[in-house]
Amino acid sequence: GAVVSQHPSWVICKSGTSVKIECRSLDFQATTMFWYRQFPKQSLMLMATSNEGSKATYEQGVEKDKFLINHASLTLSTLTVTSAHPEDSSFYICSAREGGAGLGSPEQFFGPGTRLTVL
Amino acid sequence: DAKTTQPTSMDCAEGRAANLPCNHSTISGNEYVYWYRQIHSQGPQYIIHGLKNNETNEMASLIITEDRKSSTLILPHATLRDTAVYYCIVRLPYNNNDMRFGAGTRLTVKP
Repeated sequence: GAVVSQHPSWVICKSGTSVKIECRSLDFQATTMFWYRQFPKQSLMLMATSNEGSKATYEQGVEKDKFLINHASLTLSTLTVTSAHPEDSSFYICSAREGGAGLGSPEQFFGPGTRLTVL
Repeated sequence: DAKTTQPTSMDCAEGRAANLPCNHSTISGNEYVYWYRQIHSQGPQYIIHGLKNNETNEMASLIITEDRKSSTLILPHATLRDTAVYYCIVRLPYNNNDMRFGAGTRLTVKP
């Protein structure tokens, strides 16, 4: 199957700093990418959907000014957690799908996740 | 607002078949059933999907009831590496906003 990578795999930062997480599709062009957050012993929660070249669509309750998403190319999306606080500590997972709505493969391929710890 | 119901946890003996049930009684006619699994501290891994016919691939088999209100994922010969949380998801295949995860079933394969 298609491969999605994330960088870094884990990061520790101080409260108040910003952290950028990269998501890359390695062997296909991802028109649509998704960002999820997962707290310990909980399921994945969709944060936002981004389409290449357009603004991301955020789920209700997710602050778009705090979680900045950029999907500038067909192989790269970034999530920046601005002014991170301890409650933002979580496992962040991206996924990517080839093709837009109604096009390409319907499967979503997930990255390995990034564990963020805010001190 | 997951559209599926799964048991919280299940155990299975190594080498035996693992049968994971999923109820999706409100599934609509054009929605597919997808299965993913998540091994601890990793991203979810696609397993299989189907619409109404039974499906089989190198990882698993998917049995969907005739009324499509429930399905079963079968791992024919479970190994210790199959220990994971298994998610059953009902979705339209090309809908960008439709990959919603419920609580899943935590499968523990025991030696």
